[in-house]
Amino acid sequence: AQSVAQPEDQVNVAEGNPLTVKCTYSVSGNPYLFWYVQYPNRGLQFLLKYITGDNLVKGSYGFEAEFNKSQTSFHLKKPSALVSDSALYFCAVRPGRGDDKIIFGKGTRLHILP
Amino acid sequence: DTEVTQTPKHLVMGMTNKKSLKCEQHMGHRAMYWYKQKAKKPPELMFVYSYEKLSINESVPSRFSPECPNSSLLNLHLHALQPEDSALYLCASSQGLTLLNEQFFGPGTRLTVL
Repeated sequence: AQSVAQPEDQVNVAEGNPLTVKCTYSVSGNPYLFWYVQYPNRGLQFLLKYITGDNLVKGSYGFEAEFNKSQTSFHLKKPSALVSDSALYFCAVRPGRGDDKIIFGKGTRLHILP
Repeated sequence: DTEVTQTPKHLVMGMTNKKSLKCEQHMGHRAMYWYKQKAKKPPELMFVYSYEKLSINESVPSRFSPECPNSSLLNLHLHALQPEDSALYLCASSQGLTLLNEQFFGPGTRLTVL
């Protein structure tokens, strides 16, 4: 079955420290991977995506993510966290073939401590 | 204009009421989506429209009725809802249904069913 997992419900990071939000996936075929962020009482905002090519993808607000095929992971990273990065982060995958749907992970709440 | 707008922002309705949620985008996107999101959960896909035709219905109860009057507008008609239907309803659009395209989300309508 196609799935995406975000193993951490919440991640706490001190402001200025690097942050990582984890995501692993299980799909047949080549995956198309996305990260979205949701601020309180708002819709989701697209951060970045991996389709093909360079395994390190750069996105909005200084975020980047690394696609690792052998570990089936697509972790979100940022070198220096800001308090304003505090939000709910969703990893999502679209299976490479035969499915128009996007599968969202359960979400990880990122809390940046001042 | 890179925005998806949704009205109303908040809606409270009784179980016998009929109401409609509206969504609009002017990005020329030809795929539009309705999602339902419960608190602290990922969005759940309800419907997908592609080129103004319903392409995916995720077995949504008939008390939810989508409508796509033109390529910029998407409505969700509500009738005889249940309290468990209370949620944030998100509209999204994308350039097409290809697997490569990210979705742009509106801010959502917070629905409360009494």
